[in-house]
Amino acid sequence: NAGVTQTPKFQVLKTGQSMTLQCAQDMNHEYMSWYRQDPGMGLRLIHYSVGAGITDQGEVPNGYNVSRSTTEDFPLRLLSAAPSQTSVYFCASSYAGPPETQYFGPGTRLLVL
Amino acid sequence: GQQVMQIPQYQHVQEGEDFTTYCNSSTTLSNIQWYKQRPGGHPVFLIQLVKSGEVKKQKRLTFQFGEAKKNSSLHITATQTTDVGTYFCAGTGYNTDKLIFGTGTRLQVFP
Repeated sequence: NAGVTQTPKFQVLKTGQSMTLQCAQDMNHEYMSWYRQDPGMGLRLIHYSVGAGITDQGEVPNGYNVSRSTTEDFPLRLLSAAPSQTSVYFCASSYAGPPETQYFGPGTRLLVL
Repeated sequence: GQQVMQIPQYQHVQEGEDFTTYCNSSTTLSNIQWYKQRPGGHPVFLIQLVKSGEVKKQKRLTFQFGEAKKNSSLHITATQTTDVGTYFCAGTGYNTDKLIFGTGTRLQVFP
């Protein structure tokens, strides 16, 4: 099993550009989530999904869209990138929702100029 | 909304010294988890606590869940250089599927 994979590993965007961060898992996990990590602020929940076709907002959803058309994939879309979205983004998955163990991907480092 | 704070933000210790990080939630938690993130890596699950007052041990690591289920702690006895990293607590309130992470404590161990 590859576990949780994320692409790209690193991306540079200009303000106003859009892009999609990819996340996939091959563990047949129902629950998937996106976090952003900024210095001194820990991991903040952006969006999460309890199963295919179901998504919900986390702590900091503004500026991000998600969809869950399949169990395996949970892409995160930045509609119009802003410098405040410069961060490291982690995708995580678990068999069911919390308190199940969360398995994290390797992360995507995003720089918005 | 639910907020989870950790103190201290940073801790530098000499190898062999003990280390403790504290986690405090603004709301009562149904469970709490602890994760470790090595520099440049991703968070990795350590343990989960569910019961009020629960204490669990993993070798040199001791985890506690407060009686009111609003706070938790992680204590490392006799730190080693392999303990270096950032430790996060993460909790879920009742009637929610959101897992909210704490602000993290970064541990540096000097040989």
